[in-house]
Amino acid sequence: QKEVEQNSGPLSVPEGAIASLNCTYSDRGSQSFFWYRQYSGKSPELIMFIYSNGDKEDGRFTAQLNKASQYVSLLIRDSQPSDSATYLCAFYGGSQGNLIFGKGTKLSVKP
Amino acid sequence: EAGVAQSPRYKIIEKRQSVAFWCNPISGHATLYWYQQILGQGPKLLIQFQNNGVVDDSQLPKDRFSAERLKGVDSTLKIQPAKLEDSAVYLCASSATLNEQFFGPGTRLTVL
Repeated sequence: QKEVEQNSGPLSVPEGAIASLNCTYSDRGSQSFFWYRQYSGKSPELIMFIYSNGDKEDGRFTAQLNKASQYVSLLIRDSQPSDSATYLCAFYGGSQGNLIFGKGTKLSVKP
Repeated sequence: EAGVAQSPRYKIIEKRQSVAFWCNPISGHATLYWYQQILGQGPKLLIQFQNNGVVDDSQLPKDRFSAERLKGVDSTLKIQPAKLEDSAVYLCASSATLNEQFFGPGTRLTVL
């Protein structure tokens, strides 16, 4: 059973701090990793995807991938209250290469 | 560009009743997905269509769930008969590439 593990949280950080969200995955053959943000009562929206080992930066967001450790993380710099949401990690690992989602980590940014 | 449309947004039914959900993907997106998201969980894929053909329905409970995508555009997902454990948000998503799936607003189903 291919799985994604995430700490469900809640993770609470003060405004302006760095939020660090972590995810481990079971499928060593996975090549593509995704971070989605889901506000309460809303649908998921893609923040970033990463394929290569190392870091990928987009504005205040940095995704980090370590395939040897089967670990992917998302850093949010200068966290804002508007970043408060559940962050879902996902990878392509299904029988047809479908997205498999973790349970998500709930982030709360306190003003 | 219009997003993925879904209806209804909310539905409350009694167990053993039937229900249907509708999805209209983003224009030009060949791939359409139906996900089930139970409270506190990540979305779980139920079925994936490529145009009007089924790519993967391995996690679809076929004794009660069915889905179709006529003419490779709109899709419907049906549950008959519903069980209490079917209470969830049903999300439709579409994509043109593997890099990004665009999700609709979802249908929140409550089975009493």
